[in-house]
Amino acid sequence: EAQVTQNPRYLITVTGKKLTVTCSQNMNHEYMSWYRQDPGLGLRQIYYSMNVEVTDKGDVPEGYKVSRKEKRNFPLILESPSPNQTSLYFCASTLLEGGKLFFGSGTQLSVL
Amino acid sequence: GESVGLHLPTLSVQEGDNSIINCAYSNSASDYFIWYKQESGKGPQFIIDIRSNMDKRQGQRVTVLLNKTVKHLSLQIAATQPGDSAVYFCAENHLTGNQFYFGTGTSLTVIP
Repeated sequence: EAQVTQNPRYLITVTGKKLTVTCSQNMNHEYMSWYRQDPGLGLRQIYYSMNVEVTDKGDVPEGYKVSRKEKRNFPLILESPSPNQTSLYFCASTLLEGGKLFFGSGTQLSVL
Repeated sequence: GESVGLHLPTLSVQEGDNSIINCAYSNSASDYFIWYKQESGKGPQFIIDIRSNMDKRQGQRVTVLLNKTVKHLSLQIAATQPGDSAVYFCAENHLTGNQFYFGTGTSLTVIP
């Protein structure tokens, strides 16, 4: 089944404790992206990647890192999480030439 | 900057009635428009899309209308069912650079 898989689904952590949210897709998509979703603000792009070893900042990249060592994986790293990063996070992927974006099920992160 | 907005944050309809969800966008250079449905606790799911060279596209019980003159996009759902209750997002895609911009969402509630 074609899908984007994120883990974990829920995560509670404390300020400053490094964490990684994993994302994997099995559709051989070149393009992968991370979004955060906050009430009243819609989906905002954090980082995206057009291909292996190619990553670019989205609209809200501060406090986040990503890597794209393999085509299927695009982990999101929070080196020193802060409470304002409490949010619902989505990973998504699509073909490079565009088209429908496939989303993961989301990761609800709470930073205390 | 980019702006994609929905006209109403909430919409309630009677089961069996037709629903119309509206969206305004700001960038006349957008190539592609998509409607997503997001149910509680899930990631956004693709509903229907339309290219900028079209003004109407129909799917199963759904129709998307694009009015480029006034930069307006609408989603029509025929014979709305309780399972249609969700948040609906519009998105615009700029194929150059493959950037996606999302509206804030309309929460549709179907009254039995």
